[in-house]
Amino acid sequence: DQQVKQNSPSLSVQEGRISILNCDYTNSMFDYFLWYKKYPAEGPTFLISISSIKDKNEDGRFTVFLNKSAKHLSLHIVPSQPGDSAVYFCAAREYTGGFKTIFGAGTRLFVKA
Amino acid sequence: KAGVTQTPRYLIKTRGQQVTLSCSPISGHRSVSWYQQTPGQGLQFLFEYFSETQRNKGNFPGRFSGRQFSNSRSEMNVSTLELGDSALYLCASSLAGQGSFNGYTFGSGTRLTVV
Repeated sequence: DQQVKQNSPSLSVQEGRISILNCDYTNSMFDYFLWYKKYPAEGPTFLISISSIKDKNEDGRFTVFLNKSAKHLSLHIVPSQPGDSAVYFCAAREYTGGFKTIFGAGTRLFVKA
Repeated sequence: KAGVTQTPRYLIKTRGQQVTLSCSPISGHRSVSWYQQTPGQGLQFLFEYFSETQRNKGNFPGRFSGRQFSNSRSEMNVSTLELGDSALYLCASSLAGQGSFNGYTFGSGTRLTVV
């Protein structure tokens, strides 16, 4: 039962253009949504988060949009840079007596120079 | 400020053996979570510890267990290893309980290979 889904295993974008990574979820009890970036042989690095009571959060080149009615989350990277090439994980947190963060399967982003 | 430290970085074990992995969280972080990463499966939640208590558990068999010590360091143990347990095991710590949540800080992981 995948509560957090990233349906695109990979995405290729030209340098300077916008990268849009998508994520869908099923559990309406999630209170925070997060994006992580992961390079090979390293642990995931926190990128940006958004509370379930907001619909947009921006941090530099990264913006996360939340559409609660559609249970959809997206990460926009503008402009995309070759150093952004990595695997991006969407994650959502719920509290069930303790915190549990559930991750999607990841989307590999390739930014071509 | 030291990050999350996981030891060892790499481990090769034989089927049927058991293994213990260690995680030292960021100083002051009391919540420690463990994840298993396999190709195509993303990060699968194993368990979360807070103040030496397991507060949440994922859908893994009882061969997977863990504990947390009074200094917040955590260990996870896998008994009777199977080939399918080969994965990257990640530990993450956070300041649990805060109103705003800026996610976890992950260690670099322990790469376990079962042969």
